[in-house]
Amino acid sequence: QITLKESGPTLVKPTQTLTLTCTFSGFSFRSSGVGVAWIRQPPGKALDWLALIYWNDDKLYSPSLKSRLTITKDTSRNQVVLRMTDMDPVDTATYYCAHTLRDYDYLTGYYPRSFDYWGQGALVTVSS
Amino acid sequence: DIQMTQSPSSLSASVGDRVTVTCRASQSIRSHLNWYQKKPGKAPKLLIYAASTLQIGVPSRFSGSGSGTDFTLTISSLQPEDFATYYCQQTYSYTPYTFGQGTSVDVK
Repeated sequence: QITLKESGPTLVKPTQTLTLTCTFSGFSFRSSGVGVAWIRQPPGKALDWLALIYWNDDKLYSPSLKSRLTITKDTSRNQVVLRMTDMDPVDTATYYCAHTLRDYDYLTGYYPRSFDYWGQGALVTVSS
Repeated sequence: DIQMTQSPSSLSASVGDRVTVTCRASQSIRSHLNWYQKKPGKAPKLLIYAASTLQIGVPSRFSGSGSGTDFTLTISSLQPEDFATYYCQQTYSYTPYTFGQGTSVDVK
């Protein structure tokens, strides 16, 4: 059974750095193809993909946020950490982590098949 | 970026209705299209991946079709637990892995 859970601060001040941890069970980064993504949803808005890390330490970031994001993994602790610098009130959102498996397409190369298991989400408010 | 546009943005339906949601990509994404269901305060739930493959455990009243730029999610007979917001997502190109803006299905 795959489960994921996000943890971190519920309130951060503008300009501060947000650090969120995703702790998971039921799969391992020791397995080829495994990946964990971060997605957020601002209140009343759509889902927004942020970053993805694979078992082989390949990392992908949303281009619009790439300069502010860092994603890392701890294989032995079954954790993925997302850091987002220079937080702003517009970054107020529920942040989710999700499991994926990397697939291959002969035309486009490697891609995440889908985000099939999600954590419950962590609401982060950015306010002074 | 590949833009994903869903229509309608919202719809009202009754239990038992056939419901169709459309998702259009700004360029061909072949079949790299997923559908998710989102309820308030809950995590998104994967319904369909690769445009038409039903995720394990998802009721068969949900189906997906399409390829290239035009995709459809169909609920054959709407159930009370299906009132939610539905999102499409492309995983063809990571510039980024964009979601549609969502389609809210509420009670008529």
